Amino acid sequence: ETGVTQSPTHLIKTRGQQVTLRCSSQSGHNTVSWYQQALGQGPQFIFQYYREEENGRGNFPPRFSGLQFPNYSSELNVNALELDDSALYLCASSLVGADTQYFGPGTRLTVL
Amino acid sequence: DAKTTQPTSMDCAEGRAANLPCNHSTISGNEYVYWYRQIHSQGPQYIIHGLKNNETNEMASLIITEDRKSSTLILPHATLRDTAVYYCIVRVPGGMRFGAGTRLTVKP
Repeated sequence: ETGVTQSPTHLIKTRGQQVTLRCSSQSGHNTVSWYQQALGQGPQFIFQYYREEENGRGNFPPRFSGLQFPNYSSELNVNALELDDSALYLCASSLVGADTQYFGPGTRLTVL
Repeated sequence: DAKTTQPTSMDCAEGRAANLPCNHSTISGNEYVYWYRQIHSQGPQYIIHGLKNNETNEMASLIITEDRKSSTLILPHATLRDTAVYYCIVRVPGGMRFGAGTRLTVKP
């Protein structure tokens, strides 16, 4: 059984740029959720995807968007990067109807 | 909008039981309590979850009070590798709502 993987591990961007982060779900999982974790804080829910559609969203602006692909892999896109977007971005996968989410190792984004 | 309250930090001696409390006084009847832990800069790791009965697995035990307003995660024999931030979460539709968690430090 393959766990949740994320790429890249680390990323440095400049304010105003755009970034795409990638996630591969655990084998057999059809739901993916994305979280942002600022330094010293708990993860904050961004949104969840099921059947390639957004299925719930936290308090994040529209410049945070996502995609889920037929193979259940997913992307998180952030436009017009701000300094406060610097954080660890976590992806978690689960089976629809099963609440337990399994997290990947995260992508550390630094915005300069 | 976390629905749980946990102590900021706790210490535990290696080999002893670690008991981590959590208050969730506004929990609804069909909401589960989940526990995750996060070791420095890694992704959160699932530990255990429950609705109203006590639960046990290979990692820990979860004790939920009869009124479901609080719960305790028990690590029966803490090791140095159990040093982490432990999150108590009430599951809501769409995603997990994490609070600040409890930083558990296991000391030799």
